[in-house]
Amino acid sequence: SQQGEEDPQALSIQEGENATMNCSYKTSINNLQWYRQNSGRGLVHLILIRSNEREKHSGRLRVTLDTSKKSSSLLITASRAADTASYFCAPRSSGNTPLVFGKGTRLSVIA
Amino acid sequence: GAVVSQHPSWVICKSGTSVKIECRSLDFQATTMFWYRQFPKQSLMLMATSNEGSKATYEQGVEKDKFLINHASLTLSTLTVTSAHPEDSSFYICSAVVTAKDLSGNTIYFGEGSWLTVV
Repeated sequence: SQQGEEDPQALSIQEGENATMNCSYKTSINNLQWYRQNSGRGLVHLILIRSNEREKHSGRLRVTLDTSKKSSSLLITASRAADTASYFCAPRSSGNTPLVFGKGTRLSVIA
Repeated sequence: GAVVSQHPSWVICKSGTSVKIECRSLDFQATTMFWYRQFPKQSLMLMATSNEGSKATYEQGVEKDKFLINHASLTLSTLTVTSAHPEDSSFYICSAVVTAKDLSGNTIYFGEGSWLTVV
């Protein structure tokens, strides 16, 4: 299993602005998943991007993947106060290996 | 997405007692589940991999006799914290693998977590 490293560790923006979080990893992957965690709650699966995909959209979320740079980004457009949470990326190298998490990005959206 | 349910959401127990946390996959079968613990303002720490019908695989530093994991069916894994002590107080989260037709699409869903407080 490999761990993704999120950057920045903390991000504070105004409601309506876009939020961009980055993720770097070290070895080749099958896919990369992004999760959100509200304080004291479980993780919510946001989006999965396969290694042969470059971009994926889901509602206000846009995820990109650059396997040559071993990096991914999560863009949240038109942010809302309810988007305030920690966001984690999880690169996966093979089918049933566990996810190993970094420290995540703590996003604060100020109304 | 798939639903993973944990129970109880929170539990308080006395030192020395044991407490069981259940993790269920509600709308899919999960041959593999994972257990994590999380301390306040820290990231998730992988404790063990739970495989249906076989022994769990524990991460280094996790006491297998203290954290008993049983995965007796394709929809249920349990974590039992035995002889609990205050330092075991934490947030425990399980997750389950949804197997896709192609392995690159395997997705992992998480439960809502269980707060354990040992007094």
